[in-house]
Amino acid sequence: QVQLVESGGGVVQPGRSLRLSCTASRFTFSNYGMHWVRQAPGKGLEWVAFIWFDGSNKYYADSVRGRFTISRDNSENTLYLQMNSLRAEDTAVYFCARDKGKSGIYFLDYWGQGSLVTVSS
Amino acid sequence: EIVLTQSPGTLSLSPGERATLSCRASQSVGSNYLTWYQQKPGQAPRLLIYGASSRATGIPDRFSGSGSGTDFTLTISRLDPEDFAVYYCQQSGGSRVTFGPGTKVDIK
Repeated sequence: QVQLVESGGGVVQPGRSLRLSCTASRFTFSNYGMHWVRQAPGKGLEWVAFIWFDGSNKYYADSVRGRFTISRDNSENTLYLQMNSLRAEDTAVYFCARDKGKSGIYFLDYWGQGSLVTVSS
Repeated sequence: EIVLTQSPGTLSLSPGERATLSCRASQSVGSNYLTWYQQKPGQAPRLLIYGASSRATGIPDRFSGSGSGTDFTLTISRLDPEDFAVYYCQQSGGSRVTFGPGTKVDIK
């Protein structure tokens, strides 16, 4: 069974940075595009970013473009989200999720359990 | 950007009843790119329906999806106690993903 495990969440002050990781197992990580999706407390799902299977293309939501960077290390089966200039409104559980395809966006077929990021002074 | 609207916001039903959830898009969505997820409290979302009408692996046949263009529907033919949850529709077009605000199905 596909496994995705997020780590790196925590409490961070506004304006600071944090990097999330998502370790993948039980599938060929380098064959799939990957997403980050977040969910603020008590709110709905918000898509954050997507990266192609080989890292050659990346897409971002307007709310994070220029502040967040998605990347991957296929040799380590790991997806990353570098979050800079964090704001209170970035407080959320961050999920990594696998896309059905390699490039282009189709649907998110497997999800991790999420990592909580709290931005507060 | 395509905006998704889901209705109703909350659906209060009893086990065994039929649930009909609506997802409406601000522009036409390719059927291949309309997806439904289920989320229970404290859990990650789970894929239910992709391509508007195809059930994901392991999803019971009481769940069905239909629709095209701007109007899509998720139907749960007979609610099981484990089906009380929040349901999100999602579209993917080009380089963006958007989710609807969700419909909560709770026990009447």
